[in-house]
Amino acid sequence: KNQVEQSPQSLIILEGKNCTLQCNYTVSPFSNLRWYKQDTGRGPVSLTIMTFSENTKSNGRYTATLDADTKQSSLHITASQLSDSASYICVVSAHDNAGNMLTFGGGTRLMVKP
Amino acid sequence: DAGVIQSPRHEVTEMGQEVTLRCKPISGHNSLFWYRQTMMRGLELLIYFNNNVPIDDSGMPEDRFSAKMPNASFSTLKIQPSEPRDSAVYFCASSMGQMQETQYFGPGTRLLVL
Repeated sequence: KNQVEQSPQSLIILEGKNCTLQCNYTVSPFSNLRWYKQDTGRGPVSLTIMTFSENTKSNGRYTATLDADTKQSSLHITASQLSDSASYICVVSAHDNAGNMLTFGGGTRLMVKP
Repeated sequence: DAGVIQSPRHEVTEMGQEVTLRCKPISGHNSLFWYRQTMMRGLELLIYFNNNVPIDDSGMPEDRFSAKMPNASFSTLKIQPSEPRDSAVYFCASSMGQMQETQYFGPGTRLLVL
């Protein structure tokens, strides 16, 4: 069964600190992995999208890594800002003869405090 | 570009009533996705269209739900009859290309069925 597990479920950090969010998946056959940021009351916004051959991808202070062997991804946030407070969702796409399928993680809720 | 436009932003209705949610994708995008998000189940893909044709509706919960895309700039998600368990935020997203491309989400419609 395809699954995406994210940890921690929630996290509180102080402004300026770094943090790392984890995403473990058992989706097969793997097509790509995306990280989304969702502010409260808004739709998700894409941060990064990585295919099998990509190990690291950055978007400003956000850096995503992918280890396709261990089926793990992380999202590292550097020098956190209050505006980073949001839910971060990991989504893994599988592609087989039946087409594409998305499996969503439950998200990590991040709160950055001053 | 105005982004993905959804209406209404909020909907409160009584059990048994018909509900119609509307979406205008980003101009030039040829794929459109309908999602549902709840605290319990997180984000779920309901259905997606490519070039106005439904490609995968396996996420549609039951026959009470139906979706149409009569042209490239408009889609509807209808629930008839609505039930309290349908209460959720419904997001529409669009992309250039299919499932593997970056999706751009609308602001969502918050539905409450009493």
